[in-house]
Amino acid sequence: DSGVTQTPKHLITATGQRVTLRCSPRSGDLSVYWYQQSLDQGLQFLIQYYNGEERAKGNILERFSAQQFPDLHSELNLSSLELGDSALYFCASSELGSEQFFGPGTRLTVL
Amino acid sequence: GEDVEQSLFLSVREGDSSVINCTYTDSSSTYLYWYKQEPGAGLQLLTYIFSNMDMKQDQRLTVLLNKKDKHLSLRIADTQTGDSAIYFCAESKVGGTASKLTFGTGTRLQVTL
Repeated sequence: DSGVTQTPKHLITATGQRVTLRCSPRSGDLSVYWYQQSLDQGLQFLIQYYNGEERAKGNILERFSAQQFPDLHSELNLSSLELGDSALYFCASSELGSEQFFGPGTRLTVL
Repeated sequence: GEDVEQSLFLSVREGDSSVINCTYTDSSSTYLYWYKQEPGAGLQLLTYIFSNMDMKQDQRLTVLLNKKDKHLSLRIADTQTGDSAIYFCAESKVGGTASKLTFGTGTRLQVTL
């Protein structure tokens, strides 16, 4: 158990819908990262927050957004969902500049 | 820019050693990581090495780094069936508060009896 929690574990929704994925980092970690794992793109970095502020952005679509709240949990919002958004979404957390620990992931299926 | 490459598949017999290879392109100071992913599970951090080191050993795991060739390997001694998984190599730059991981494609390790 990495200490990073993600909810929900599974999510099934329809095209055009909007979903929110939630992540709670390990106790004491200020950085939260979001990654997408799909068969065609592999594991790709989406976005990083550090103590509530956006720190780095990767290949994140404009339809996707994230935030980190004062209690350090983070949410990833995916809107106008398309079939191609079906993937595993991972959250990771770390202390400043340290190794990242991953949550169990949320499997999103868009029908 | 960063790019990380791995071979896709490796099959070994139980009890043998496994060697999983990875190449990276970023020549700046970086951390290099090995993660393990079992079916339906998240990514488990196995070990990591800083780019100014040559080797790191942790129980059955040995990481070797050839800085000249930008080649990283993970050796698993006495491979067990429980080691069957996908192994990802990843790198991240050192410094600052931004430290995204760039992953390889993953190597699927199959352990046969």
